[in-house]
Amino acid sequence: DQQVKQNSPSLSVQEGRISILNCDYTNSMFDYFLWYKKYPAEGPTFLISISSIKDKNEDGRFTVFLNKSAKHLSLHIVPSQPGDSAVYFCAAITTSGTYKYIFGTGTRLKVLA
Amino acid sequence: GAVVSQHPSRVICKSGTSVKIECRSLDFQATTMFWYRQFPKQSLMLMATSNEGSKATYEQGVEKDKFLINHASLTLSTLTVASAHPEDSSFYICSARDPTGDTEAFFGQGTRLTVV
Repeated sequence: DQQVKQNSPSLSVQEGRISILNCDYTNSMFDYFLWYKKYPAEGPTFLISISSIKDKNEDGRFTVFLNKSAKHLSLHIVPSQPGDSAVYFCAAITTSGTYKYIFGTGTRLKVLA
Repeated sequence: GAVVSQHPSRVICKSGTSVKIECRSLDFQATTMFWYRQFPKQSLMLMATSNEGSKATYEQGVEKDKFLINHASLTLSTLTVASAHPEDSSFYICSARDPTGDTEAFFGQGTRLTVV
């Protein structure tokens, strides 16, 4: 049972345009969400996070939006840069538990120069 | 920021041998560390939660006797793949969270295990 899903396995965007990566979850107990970026043969690196009490968090070019009623979050990258090309994973946790991270299946973003 | 170091980054071993992977939190104490496995073009699959001073908690379907986890100190967790077989070949990643810091976990560099 996939509790966190990223339905788009890949996305191509032109440099300078906006990249929108989507993530859906099923477990209503999740109360904290994170986005990680991963290059091949490396561990994921943290990008941005959002608590379930918020609906938006912004950090530079990265903004995460959370729609709790729809159990949906998205990561916006604007403007997109070629260096943003990587696989992006969303993750969800329940902070009252063991902080066990549940990851989505990932979306491969390719930013075209 | 918090750093998690994983070693080795790459290992090739013969079928039937055991391989140990280390995960260290370099500038914080981690009472809990997590071990993941990633198959090609797939998500990070949580294998087990490593608890300092106690037994690890394994996810459903993960063989405890195959993937031995030891968390002997607050900065070190080890994953031993016992009697490795080619189907154990994968990318293994550990993570840890600084309990005194923010909520995000930090990940090691990963270990590419190839069993021949």
